[in-house]
Amino acid sequence: NAGVTQTPKFRVLKTGQSMTLLCAQDMNHEYMYWYRQDPGMGLRLIHYSVGEGTTAKGEVPDGYNVSRLKKQNFLLGLESAAPSQTSVYFCASSSAIFYGYTFGSGTRLTVV
Amino acid sequence: KQEVTQIPAALSVPEGENLVLNCSFTDSAIYNLQWFRQDPGKGLTSLLLIQSSQREQTSGRLNASLDKSSGRSTLYIAASQPGDSATYLCASTGTASKLTFGTGTRLQVTL
Repeated sequence: NAGVTQTPKFRVLKTGQSMTLLCAQDMNHEYMYWYRQDPGMGLRLIHYSVGEGTTAKGEVPDGYNVSRLKKQNFLLGLESAAPSQTSVYFCASSSAIFYGYTFGSGTRLTVV
Repeated sequence: KQEVTQIPAALSVPEGENLVLNCSFTDSAIYNLQWFRQDPGKGLTSLLLIQSSQREQTSGRLNASLDKSSGRSTLYIAASQPGDSATYLCASTGTASKLTFGTGTRLQVTL
Protein backbone atom coordinates (compact mmCIF):
# COMPACT_ATOMS: atom_id res chain seq x y z
CA ASN A 1 0.00 0.00 0.00
CA ALA A 2 1.23 3.47 -0.89
CA GLY A 3 1.99 5.70 2.04
CA VAL A 4 4.47 6.77 4.67
CA THR A 5 6.25 4.11 6.71
CA GLN A 6 8.06 4.83 9.96
CA THR A 7 10.49 2.51 11.72
CA PRO A 8 10.72 1.63 14.50
CA LYS A 9 7.25 1.94 16.02
CA PHE A 10 8.46 1.86 19.62
CA ARG A 11 11.83 2.42 21.26
CA VAL A 12 13.22 2.91 24.74
CA LEU A 13 16.56 4.66 25.03
CA LYS A 14 18.83 5.45 27.92
CA THR A 15 19.94 9.03 28.40
CA GLY A 16 22.95 9.74 26.20
CA GLN A 17 22.29 6.98 23.67
CA SER A 18 21.86 7.74 20.01
CA MET A 19 19.38 6.48 17.45
CA THR A 20 17.97 7.12 14.00
CA LEU A 21 14.31 7.13 13.04
CA LEU A 22 13.58 6.22 9.44
CA CYS A 23 10.76 7.58 7.33
CA ALA A 24 10.09 6.18 3.88
CA GLN A 25 7.46 7.29 1.35
CA ASP A 26 6.62 5.70 -1.97
CA MET A 27 4.48 8.49 -3.43
CA ASN A 28 7.32 10.46 -5.04
CA HIS A 29 6.59 13.41 -2.76
CA GLU A 30 8.99 16.35 -2.74
CA TYR A 31 8.29 17.60 0.77
CA MET A 32 8.93 15.60 3.93
CA TYR A 33 8.59 16.57 7.58
CA TRP A 34 9.30 15.41 11.11
CA TYR A 35 6.92 16.44 13.88
CA ARG A 36 6.80 15.60 17.54
CA GLN A 37 3.59 15.37 19.53
CA ASP A 38 3.46 16.05 23.25
CA PRO A 39 0.43 16.24 25.55
CA GLY A 40 -1.01 19.74 25.71
CA MET A 41 1.40 21.08 23.09
CA GLY A 42 0.06 19.65 19.88
CA LEU A 43 2.33 18.73 16.99
CA ARG A 44 5.46 20.80 16.50
CA LEU A 45 7.73 20.80 13.47
CA ILE A 46 11.28 19.59 14.12
CA HIS A 47 12.89 19.61 10.65
CA TYR A 48 11.68 19.46 7.09
CA SER A 49 12.91 18.95 3.56
CA VAL A 50 11.67 20.48 0.31
CA GLY A 51 13.53 18.04 -1.91
CA GLU A 52 16.30 15.47 -2.13
CA GLY A 53 19.50 16.75 -0.55
CA THR A 54 17.79 19.63 1.29
CA THR A 55 16.94 20.07 4.95
CA ALA A 56 15.76 22.98 7.06
CA LYS A 57 15.01 23.69 10.71
CA GLY A 58 11.50 23.83 12.04
CA GLU A 59 10.13 25.11 15.32
CA VAL A 60 11.99 22.76 17.71
CA PRO A 61 15.21 21.55 15.99
CA ASP A 62 17.62 21.48 18.95
CA GLY A 63 19.01 18.03 19.75
CA TYR A 64 18.01 16.56 16.38
CA ASN A 65 19.67 16.17 13.01
CA VAL A 66 18.20 15.05 9.70
CA SER A 67 19.30 13.85 6.31
CA ARG A 68 17.58 13.34 2.98
CA LEU A 69 20.07 11.59 0.74
CA LYS A 70 17.33 9.89 -1.27
CA LYS A 71 14.02 11.44 -2.25
CA GLN A 72 11.98 8.67 -0.66
CA ASN A 73 13.74 8.65 2.73
CA PHE A 74 13.97 11.19 5.52
CA LEU A 75 16.05 10.26 8.57
CA LEU A 76 15.79 11.84 12.01
CA GLY A 77 18.78 11.39 14.32
CA LEU A 78 19.18 11.89 18.03
CA GLU A 79 22.89 12.10 18.85
CA SER A 80 22.59 12.12 22.65
CA ALA A 81 19.08 11.37 23.82
CA ALA A 82 17.59 13.32 26.72
CA PRO A 83 14.40 12.65 28.74
CA SER A 84 12.91 15.83 27.21
CA GLN A 85 12.93 14.01 23.87
CA THR A 86 10.40 11.47 25.13
CA SER A 87 7.58 11.95 22.67
CA VAL A 88 5.66 10.53 19.75
CA TYR A 89 7.37 11.33 16.45
CA PHE A 90 5.44 11.61 13.21
CA CYS A 91 6.79 11.77 9.72
CA ALA A 92 4.73 13.25 6.91
CA SER A 93 5.05 13.96 3.22
CA SER A 94 3.37 16.20 0.67
CA SER A 95 3.64 16.54 -3.08
CA ALA A 96 3.25 20.30 -3.18
CA ILE A 97 2.06 23.23 -1.16
CA PHE A 98 -1.50 23.00 -2.47
CA TYR A 99 -1.92 19.35 -1.69
CA GLY A 100 -2.58 17.57 1.55
CA TYR A 101 -0.31 15.66 3.81
CA THR A 102 0.12 11.93 4.35
CA PHE A 103 1.27 10.96 7.83
CA GLY A 104 3.06 7.88 9.07
CA SER A 105 1.71 5.93 12.04
CA GLY A 106 4.27 7.36 14.47
CA THR A 107 7.21 6.27 16.61
CA ARG A 108 6.75 6.27 20.36
CA LEU A 109 10.12 7.08 21.94
CA THR A 110 10.84 6.94 25.65
CA VAL A 111 14.15 8.19 27.04
CA VAL A 112 14.91 7.03 30.58
CA LYS B 1 4.39 33.51 13.95
CA GLN B 2 1.20 31.65 13.14
CA GLU B 3 -0.87 30.50 16.11
CA VAL B 4 -3.76 28.09 15.76
CA THR B 5 -6.38 27.69 18.47
CA GLN B 6 -9.12 25.10 18.75
CA ILE B 7 -12.19 25.48 20.90
CA PRO B 8 -13.49 23.57 22.75
CA ALA B 9 -10.64 21.37 23.97
CA ALA B 10 -13.09 18.57 24.70
CA LEU B 11 -16.69 17.88 23.78
CA SER B 12 -19.15 15.15 24.66
CA VAL B 13 -22.40 14.78 22.74
CA PRO B 14 -25.10 12.13 22.47
CA GLU B 15 -25.32 10.09 19.29
CA GLY B 16 -27.26 11.73 16.51
CA GLU B 17 -26.42 15.32 17.37
CA ASN B 18 -24.99 17.74 14.85
CA LEU B 19 -21.89 19.50 16.13
CA VAL B 20 -19.40 22.21 15.22
CA LEU B 21 -15.70 22.30 16.00
CA ASN B 22 -13.93 25.64 15.82
CA CYS B 23 -10.45 26.58 14.66
CA SER B 24 -8.95 30.07 14.58
CA PHE B 25 -5.61 31.27 13.24
CA THR B 26 -3.76 34.54 13.64
CA ASP B 27 -2.08 34.92 10.22
CA SER B 28 -4.46 34.95 7.28
CA ALA B 29 -1.63 34.44 4.75
CA ILE B 30 -2.22 30.70 4.48
CA TYR B 31 -2.20 28.42 1.45
CA ASN B 32 -4.82 26.09 2.82
CA LEU B 33 -6.42 24.74 5.98
CA GLN B 34 -6.58 21.05 6.78
CA TRP B 35 -8.62 19.02 9.23
CA PHE B 36 -7.29 15.74 10.58
CA ARG B 37 -8.62 13.00 12.78
CA GLN B 38 -6.46 11.17 15.30
CA ASP B 39 -7.57 8.06 17.15
CA PRO B 40 -5.85 7.24 20.48
CA GLY B 41 -2.35 5.92 19.93
CA LYS B 42 -2.64 6.27 16.17
CA GLY B 43 -1.43 8.56 13.43
CA LEU B 44 -3.27 11.38 11.71
CA THR B 45 -5.85 10.82 9.01
CA SER B 46 -6.59 13.66 6.64
CA LEU B 47 -10.31 14.55 6.55
CA LEU B 48 -10.67 17.72 4.52
CA LEU B 49 -8.40 20.19 2.77
CA ILE B 50 -9.68 23.69 1.99
CA GLN B 51 -7.61 25.81 -0.36
CA SER B 52 -7.26 29.49 0.51
CA SER B 53 -9.49 30.43 -2.45
CA GLN B 54 -12.28 28.11 -1.33
CA ARG B 55 -15.02 28.69 1.20
CA GLU B 56 -15.88 25.11 2.08
CA GLN B 57 -15.35 21.43 1.42
CA THR B 58 -17.64 18.49 2.04
CA SER B 59 -17.04 14.80 2.52
CA GLY B 60 -19.97 12.66 3.56
CA ARG B 61 -21.24 13.89 6.93
CA LEU B 62 -18.36 16.32 7.27
CA ASN B 63 -18.34 19.92 6.09
CA ALA B 64 -15.49 22.33 6.67
CA SER B 65 -15.64 26.06 6.05
CA LEU B 66 -12.91 28.66 5.80
CA ASP B 67 -13.09 32.41 6.36
CA LYS B 68 -9.59 33.76 5.84
CA SER B 69 -10.52 37.36 6.56
CA SER B 70 -11.66 36.49 10.08
CA GLY B 71 -9.06 33.77 10.60
CA ARG B 72 -11.61 31.05 11.25
CA SER B 73 -12.48 27.57 10.12
CA THR B 74 -15.24 25.27 11.33
CA LEU B 75 -15.75 21.54 11.01
CA TYR B 76 -19.39 20.51 11.00
CA ILE B 77 -20.24 16.89 11.75
CA ALA B 78 -23.80 15.85 10.97
CA ALA B 79 -25.67 13.09 12.75
CA SER B 80 -22.74 12.13 14.98
CA GLN B 81 -21.96 8.47 15.66
CA PRO B 82 -19.90 6.73 18.36
CA GLY B 83 -17.34 5.94 15.67
CA ASP B 84 -16.71 9.67 15.29
CA SER B 85 -15.10 9.72 18.75
CA ALA B 86 -11.53 10.89 18.26
CA THR B 87 -9.36 13.98 18.49
CA TYR B 88 -9.84 16.44 15.65
CA LEU B 89 -6.94 18.66 14.65
CA CYS B 90 -6.88 21.63 12.35
CA ALA B 91 -3.70 22.91 10.74
CA SER B 92 -2.86 25.88 8.54
CA THR B 93 -0.35 25.55 5.70
CA GLY B 94 2.30 28.23 5.32
CA THR B 95 5.52 28.58 3.34
CA ALA B 96 7.30 25.36 2.27
CA SER B 97 4.00 23.62 2.99
CA LYS B 98 4.76 23.66 6.72
CA LEU B 99 1.79 22.93 8.93
CA THR B 100 0.95 24.78 12.14
CA PHE B 101 -1.36 22.69 14.28
CA GLY B 102 -3.93 23.52 16.87
CA THR B 103 -3.94 21.43 20.04
CA GLY B 104 -7.11 19.64 18.99
CA THR B 105 -10.65 18.99 20.15
CA ARG B 106 -11.25 15.64 21.83
CA LEU B 107 -14.72 14.46 20.82
CA GLN B 108 -16.72 11.75 22.54
CA VAL B 109 -20.03 10.63 21.09
CA THR B 110 -22.08 8.66 23.58
CA LEU B 111 -24.82 6.11 22.98
